[in-house]
Amino acid sequence: EDQVTQSPEALRLQEGESSSLNCSYTVSGLRGLFWYRQDPGKGPEFLFTLYSAGEEKEKERLKATLTKKESFLHITAPKPEDSATYLCAVQAREGYQKVTFGTGTKLQVIP
Amino acid sequence: DAGVTQSPTHLIKTRGQHVTLRCSPISGHKSVSWYQQVLGQGPQFIFQYYEKEERGRGNFPDRFSARQFPNYSSELNVNALLLGDSALYLCANRVALNTEAFFGQGTRLTVV
Repeated sequence: EDQVTQSPEALRLQEGESSSLNCSYTVSGLRGLFWYRQDPGKGPEFLFTLYSAGEEKEKERLKATLTKKESFLHITAPKPEDSATYLCAVQAREGYQKVTFGTGTKLQVIP
Repeated sequence: DAGVTQSPTHLIKTRGQHVTLRCSPISGHKSVSWYQQVLGQGPQFIFQYYEKEERGRGNFPDRFSARQFPNYSSELNVNALLLGDSALYLCANRVALNTEAFFGQGTRLTVV
């Protein structure tokens, strides 16, 4: 069964203090790994899709990387508006209809 | 272009009742998935529909059912509501089955 584990569960950063969020996964043949941002009471907002080990994608202060067992979301010089829960999800080649999510990392950026 | 829209945004129901949640897709997106998100957890997959056919089902009881209409909108139905069904129900659209999903704002269901 596909599994996604995110760490840490919560992270508190000072504005400008860079850090990384971890997503460890087990899946029988990865089709894609997704990162989402979710604000309280709202639906997840799509950030990135990564397909193969070594792939990297960037968007503003965020950079996502992928290895064969984990993905990292690097946040450079975060701002208070980056505060949210960041969700990681995997889609397998077999049974690709289902996307398995982790429980998320709740990020708080303090001014 | 409008995103995924869900209705209603909030709903309060009594145990044992039935509920219908609705999802209107992004134009041109033929795949609809439904997820349940309990507070503090990640979304859990319930169903996926593509071209009006069920293509995947998660580990949820038969009280949960769904359908997709010719215009690609969708309904999620839950019968015999339990307190544990209280959650944020999310609808997601994809252009194709193996592409990224775009989510609606969700329907917050509270069962009392």
